[in-house]
Order: sequence, then C-alpha cells, then structure tokens
Amino acid sequence: GAVVSQHPSRVICKSGTSVKIECRSLDFQATTMFWYRQFPKQSLMLMATSNEGSKATYEQGVEKDKFLINHASLTLSTLTVTSAHPEDSSFYICSARAGQINEQYFGPGTRLTVT
Amino acid sequence: LAKTTQPISMDSYEGQEVNITCSHNNIATNDYITWYQQFPSQGPRFIIQGYKTKVTNEVASLFIPADRKSSTLSLPRVSLSDTAVYYCLVGFTGGGNKLTFGTGTQLKVEL
Repeated sequence: GAVVSQHPSRVICKSGTSVKIECRSLDFQATTMFWYRQFPKQSLMLMATSNEGSKATYEQGVEKDKFLINHASLTLSTLTVTSAHPEDSSFYICSARAGQINEQYFGPGTRLTVT
Repeated sequence: LAKTTQPISMDSYEGQEVNITCSHNNIATNDYITWYQQFPSQGPRFIIQGYKTKVTNEVASLFIPADRKSSTLSLPRVSLSDTAVYYCLVGFTGGGNKLTFGTGTQLKVEL
C-alpha cells in the first residue's frame, strides 16, 4: 500500500514555542491530506483538511491561527502548532488518499509533549 | 456524515473467529464502509473497504447486508497481535471528502 511518513515521531517543546510537524506521501501524490489529533484512550478527531495550493479547511472549534497548515507540494503538508500550551500535548496523525479504491492511508503519528 | 455505532470492547481467544458489527443507519447512497486497525501510539492501518455484499482480502472479510445499514468485520483465527482498536468509518471516499472516526472497538485477544 501507499506510504505516508511523519516527522518528527515525537517532540518535546516548552510552552509558548512553536513546533512544526511534517507529513509526506512517499510514493504517491496527494492533493488532499488530513490532520487528526488523538488524546489518550480516545478516538481520532479531524482537525483540518489540507489542500495543495490553497487554504486548509478547519473543523469547527479548531483555531486556524494556532494550527497553521501549509500544503505547498503534492507530497508534503505541514502542521505548525503555534504558541504551544500543555493542553496541546497530544498524538497528531496525518493521512492522504491513494490507490484504486481511494483508500485513506495514515502516517505513523507524532507525539507532541508541551512542558 | 453517517454516524457509526460499534461495541466499545470485545474479548476473544487465539484461534477464534471474531466478528465486529457496526451500525450505520443513515448511510448515504455513495458512501463506502471502511475498517481500520490501530495499535497504541501508531496511525490507523487500512484493513478493508466495501460498498455492498461481501469483500474479502488476505486479512479479513467484510459483510454488508442489502440495506447497508450495518456491516460486519470478520477476522479469522485471531492471534495476540490482533489486539487493537478497530474503527468502522462510513463516507464517500472521493477527493477531499473527509472520514470521521467513531469510538471504535477495543479487541483484546488472550491465550
């Protein structure tokens, strides 16, 4: 199947700083990528839809100025958590669609810890 | 977006067949049904997708009745490594259409 990578796999940052998470489609092009957040023992929550060459579409309740999404190429989308707070600590997962039946492939996730 | 309902948890033993049923009463005509598996601290892994009747691949089977208001993921002869959370998602998979995750089913396989 198609491969989606994320970098870094885990990151620790201090409150007030910003951190960037990269999502790459390794063997296919993705005009659309999705960003999810998952808290411990909870399901994935969709944060935004990242569109190549245009602005991202954010879900209700997700602050677009805090979670900056850039999808500058067909293989790379980035999520920047700005002015991070401890409550932003979570598992962030990206995904993209590929394949004959347009199945959605997920990255391995990024564990963010804000101290 | 069609809402899904799954059992919160299920227990099984190695070698048994496990069937996880998902209810999706308001599924739309162009919606597909997709199942994912997730291990702790990993991204979800695609298992199987179907539209109607039965779909089978090397790891699972998906049974969908004619009214499509439910679906059943069947895992043959589970092993300890199948212990994971299984999510049933319903939606149109084209382009930028998004998929929403429900609560999922925590499957625990024991010896």
